[in-house]
Order: sequence, then C-alpha cells, then structure tokens
Amino acid sequence: AQSVTQLGSHVSVSEGALVLLRCNYSSSVPPYLFWYVQYPNQGLQLLLKYTTGATLVKGINGFEAEFKKSETSFHLTKPSAHMSDAAEYFCAVSSRTYKYIFGTGTRLKVLA
Amino acid sequence: DVKVTQSSRYLVKRTGEKVFLECVQDMDHENMFWYRQDPGLGLRLIYFSYDVKMKEKGDIPEGYSVSREKKERFSLILESASTNQTSMYLCASDASGSRGGNGYTFGSGTRLTVV
Repeated sequence: AQSVTQLGSHVSVSEGALVLLRCNYSSSVPPYLFWYVQYPNQGLQLLLKYTTGATLVKGINGFEAEFKKSETSFHLTKPSAHMSDAAEYFCAVSSRTYKYIFGTGTRLKVLA
Repeated sequence: DVKVTQSSRYLVKRTGEKVFLECVQDMDHENMFWYRQDPGLGLRLIYFSYDVKMKEKGDIPEGYSVSREKKERFSLILESASTNQTSMYLCASDASGSRGGNGYTFGSGTRLTVV
C-alpha cells in the first residue's frame, strides 16, 4: 500500500528565507513522486515530479525536491521565499499506476 | 497546454437535489478523475475512469456516480445532495496510461454548497 505524510499543516517563513516543506512516503515499489501547488480557489498545478533518473528534481518558480530512498522522503525546498509563494502545497505518490495518493497539504505563509 | 475545464466555479444546491458536475479535457487523455477536497483531509478520490464507459470506485464513492460517454467528458453525479457533500470538487486528467508518471492536470475546481 502507498501513503504520504506531510509534516506540518502550516509553515511560516520570512520573505527571503529558505522554504522547506516535508514529505515522507511509503510505497511497495519504486514510486513516482509529485509536488503540486494550489492558490486560493484554484485547482492544483504541478510544480515538479520524480519518476526515474536524477534524484534532485527542479521545478517551476525556483522550487526543487530531492528523492531520498533511504529516508523515504521527497522534501520541497526553495532558497529564498517570495510573497507570491504563499499557497497550499501537496505531495503525492504513485506506485507506478495512474492512481495517486495525496498528502493532506501544507499551507505556506510568507511574512514580510 | 492541456486544459481541463469544470463547468461551474461555484454552485449552491438544495438538499435532495440531483447535481451534475461536468468536466471536459481537450488533449485526448485516457484517464480522468474526480476528487473532493476538504480542509485537513487533503484530496480524496471519488471515482476514476481509464476509458470511455469504464469507471472504478475510488476511496469515497458513496452518494456519487459518474458517467463517461465520450473520452473528453467525465461527469460526477450527486444522486441526492446532502449537506455533508458540501466541498471543493476537483477534476483531473492524465495521459499516462496504466503506469502513471506524467502528473495529473487539474481543473480549477467547483465549490459546491448544499443547503
């Protein structure tokens, strides 16, 4: 069975500070991993994904994530937060099927 | 870019009404999905379809049904709306076939309120 845990339902950072959103997963096979962003009253937009190959994945808006098999983690980072990054972020896992399991989300607040 | 269009952004319906939520995608994707999103619970899969006229139950299908008569359109039906179905409903599509990996494309969502 597959599952996703996002640590911290709310995260606050100062503008210009490092953003770190945590995601741990479980999967019985090598997983596909995704991060999505959701702005208020909108759908989810794909930020980045890991399927195979390089474990450090770069996405849109300056975000990146590293797949660490030994830690079963796929944490999302951005070196310098911007006010426009304030949104809710969802991690998702797929055990190489078209069914994804989503985490419960982390709401990022950026303080001026 | 693939576009997934949900017919309504906001809906208000009365308890007991039959409600139709429509979703259309324009890139010939095989797979389509309906999720509901509630605070603290994340996204929960209601139904999905991997081909025309094919459907499978997700994790919370009770009180819902779906229809996929054409590849581009996937409809969610609330047979008799109840207040506990007040939620944000998200449609998604995916071209990955059975192995996933491309990432879903989501619509903008329909916020349904049942009064």
